[in-house]
Amino acid sequence: DQQVKQNSPSLSVQEGRISILNCDYTNSMFDYFLWYKKYPAEGPTFLISISSIKDKNEDGRFTVFLNKSAKHLSLHIVPSQPGDSAVYFCAAYSGNTPLVFGKGTRLSVIA
Amino acid sequence: NAGVTQTPKFQVLKTGQSMTLQCAQDMNHEYMSWYRQDPGMGLRLIHYSVGAGITDQGEVPNGYNVSRSTTEDFPLRLLSAAPSQTSVYFCASSSPGKAGELFFGEGSRLTVL
Repeated sequence: DQQVKQNSPSLSVQEGRISILNCDYTNSMFDYFLWYKKYPAEGPTFLISISSIKDKNEDGRFTVFLNKSAKHLSLHIVPSQPGDSAVYFCAAYSGNTPLVFGKGTRLSVIA
Repeated sequence: NAGVTQTPKFQVLKTGQSMTLQCAQDMNHEYMSWYRQDPGMGLRLIHYSVGAGITDQGEVPNGYNVSRSTTEDFPLRLLSAAPSQTSVYFCASSSPGKAGELFFGEGSRLTVL
């Protein structure tokens, strides 16, 4: 059973607009959540994270929101740029358990 | 800045052959792991290690072996390759204080015929 779900396989956004990527999780023991970005033929790279004691974390154009009651997190990218076109993976873990990834959402930012 | 180095980048095997995917990191990270990425399946954990001499199974360990004799190296062995093991394999590492912030290698694309 998938513990981390990204229900949108793909998303297209115009350059300059906001991109919102969504992620749901089922394991209420998760206490740390992360987003990774992956370009073709490269390994994923860490983008931004949030702990379960917070509901928002910002890093430049990237903001992650956590709604624990809904078991939902989202990544906002404002403004979106063509270089943001990539696959974005949501991930989560708790304590010493390994990181669990979602299936990814492919973001296309159209100039 | 080598980071996480995986070799080979590409490999073609015949069913039943064995091989080892190499992974080395130069960041003195205790935690290392192997993932496979398949279309529509995301990243699935194969095996992981929290330090030299310690390994554990992930979500999809069958058909794979690992060992961790040094902090730097974490090889992944395919004992008898099957077409279902055709995939892109990623090795990753992280430091104890930031367990979720993985540093990934560039990947090894394996095709089993």
